[in-house]
Parts: sequence; C-alpha cells; structure tokens
Amino acid sequence: QVQLVQSGSELKKPGASVKVSCKASGYIFTSSAINWVRQAPGQGLEWMGWINTNTGNPTYAQGFTGRFVFSLDTSVSTAYLEISSLKAEDTAVYYCARRTASDSWGQGTLVTVSS
Amino acid sequence: EIVLTQSPGTLSLSPGERATLSCRASQSVSSSYFAWYQQKPGQAPRLLIYGASSRATGIPDRFSGSGSGTDFTLTISRLEPEDFAVYYCQQYGSSPRTFGQGTKVEIK
Repeated sequence: QVQLVQSGSELKKPGASVKVSCKASGYIFTSSAINWVRQAPGQGLEWMGWINTNTGNPTYAQGFTGRFVFSLDTSVSTAYLEISSLKAEDTAVYYCARRTASDSWGQGTLVTVSS
Repeated sequence: EIVLTQSPGTLSLSPGERATLSCRASQSVSSSYFAWYQQKPGQAPRLLIYGASSRATGIPDRFSGSGSGTDFTLTISRLEPEDFAVYYCQQYGSSPRTFGQGTKVEIK
C-alpha cells in the first residue's frame, strides 16, 4: 500500500538548520508530485509548495522562499525539506503529501525551535 | 491568491445528525479542483473528497461534496462518533494551493 514515512521529531536552536525526510513506498515515486504542508501548534494547514518528482523542479508558496528547500533522492524514493536559519516561528509539524489532491500523507515531523 | 473562508468555525451536533460545512472562495476555482480533508487530533489529514464531489478511496458514502465556482459544501448525512474532527477545504486549481481555516465538528 502507498505509504509516506517521515523522519522523527527535531529540536533545534535558532539559527540552525534542519532536514526532514519523506520516504515513499508502494507506488512509483516519480509518478506523483510531493507537496509540503506546515501546521503550527493549534493552527490550520498551510501549503508550502510542491516538487515535481520527475524533473526535481520545486515550486514554493509565498512565505516559503529563501530559507526553505525541497529536494529529492529518487534512488531511494525520498523527498526532503530543508529549512535554514531556523526561527522560533518555524516551530510546527511539517507534512509531506502525495499528489495535488493529497491522497496519502506522511505522519508529520514536529520541528521545535527553541534556545 | 485564492482565499478560502470556511463556515461555521465550529459546528456542535449530536451523533446521527446531519452536518453541512461551507467553504467560499474569493475567486472562482478552476475546473472544480477542490478537496475536503478530515483531521483528528495528533493525526495527519485524510482526503475525503476531490474534484469537488468525488469520494476518495475508502470514504463512506455518508460523506458527500458539492459545489462549483466559489461555493462548495461538504455534507455528512448522519454523524458517526468517529466523524467528530476538524475539516479543511483546499483548492488546487491555481497556485498557491490554499486551504481554508478549518471547521471543527464537535459533539453537542
């Protein structure tokens, strides 16, 4: 069955970087886009952008340019989200999700930024 | 950017009742590229409806979606205990693919 498994929770200090992984299984990885969605504590869902798993071309929503980078390693069917220069307001659960109307989601990765 | 406004913010109902959730878009949504998701505490969202009215795989037929253009509705015909959750709408017809702010369906 289709599954997206994300890396575990992270605790980082302000200014550090973090890389979240999203490993896909149960389907052909390059056949479906991967979206990234942020959910701050107690808040709603915020679409961050997506990456074309065929071409590797990322598209970022406004507010997620510069410090946020989507990447792939198709050899291991894995997508990555890297956030640099972390700020306290980056504290959130980050989800990867397959396809435009996202029919499969990772379990979420909690990134906590605190000194 | 298309802004999605969900109403009501909270819906208090009893099991067995009908739930009607609304989502209004600030601009027309292209070709009904519209979805509804359910999210329970501590869980990832789950796709319920795509294409405005098509049920995702495994979704019970008590969930139905309707609408086009700027007005969309999710209806739960008879609430089951497991349906009490937060529901989000999303448009994916234009970038950015925005979500509504959510409607919480709580037990009355």
